[in-house]
Amino acid sequence: DTGVSQDPRHKITKRGQNVTFRCDPISEHNRLYWYRQTLGQGPEFLTYFQNEAQLEKSRLLSDRFSAERPKGSFSTLEIQRTEQGDSAMYLCASSSTLGGLETQYFGPGTRLLVL
Amino acid sequence: AQSVSQHNHHVILSEAASLELGCNYSYGGTVNLFWYVQYPGQHLQLLLKYFSGDPLVKGIKGFEAEFIKSKFSFNLRKPSVQWSDTAEYFCAVNAGSNYQLIWGAGTKLIIKP
Repeated sequence: DTGVSQDPRHKITKRGQNVTFRCDPISEHNRLYWYRQTLGQGPEFLTYFQNEAQLEKSRLLSDRFSAERPKGSFSTLEIQRTEQGDSAMYLCASSSTLGGLETQYFGPGTRLLVL
Repeated sequence: AQSVSQHNHHVILSEAASLELGCNYSYGGTVNLFWYVQYPGQHLQLLLKYFSGDPLVKGIKGFEAEFIKSKFSFNLRKPSVQWSDTAEYFCAVNAGSNYQLIWGAGTKLIIKP
């Protein structure tokens, strides 16, 4: 068990460019979550998957954001036509629903800066 | 809407002082409660959690938290802090059938050596 990993750890991009982040959850965790965190705030929920199905999306997730988890393992989060307001830390978490008591474990995050 | 509030954004203590960080949530039903910690340059780590049972829960590194249902509170405590406890502490809740975590804004704790 190597924990949740995210790639890249940092991304600097110009406004209008597309970016894609990857998250590898703890193996055999069936749920995967994406959160966004800005300075001075706690994380805000964006979306989550159970296996490969995307079950919920926040209203924060505009149509420029898309997430996938094609084989129920790793997930990608793509932001199209980035804006300066997208600058934030993007966090991934995974959990298992076995046993009924769910605890989310977090990766190190991808820090995005849009210039 | 559900919300979580952490009363102090910044706390500065000397080593060996006692710590209590407040957390209140707004939801009238069943809740699961968490405290996470983020040490400088590191990712969020689970400190402790409450699902049911004994409302006083113990976590790692000598931390504990007490769930008081009547006060909608889940305050974090440690009797004697160390310099290594310098970090940001987040309270989070998931409520009812809502799987997402709702987070407080965090409390930055600085321990003076």
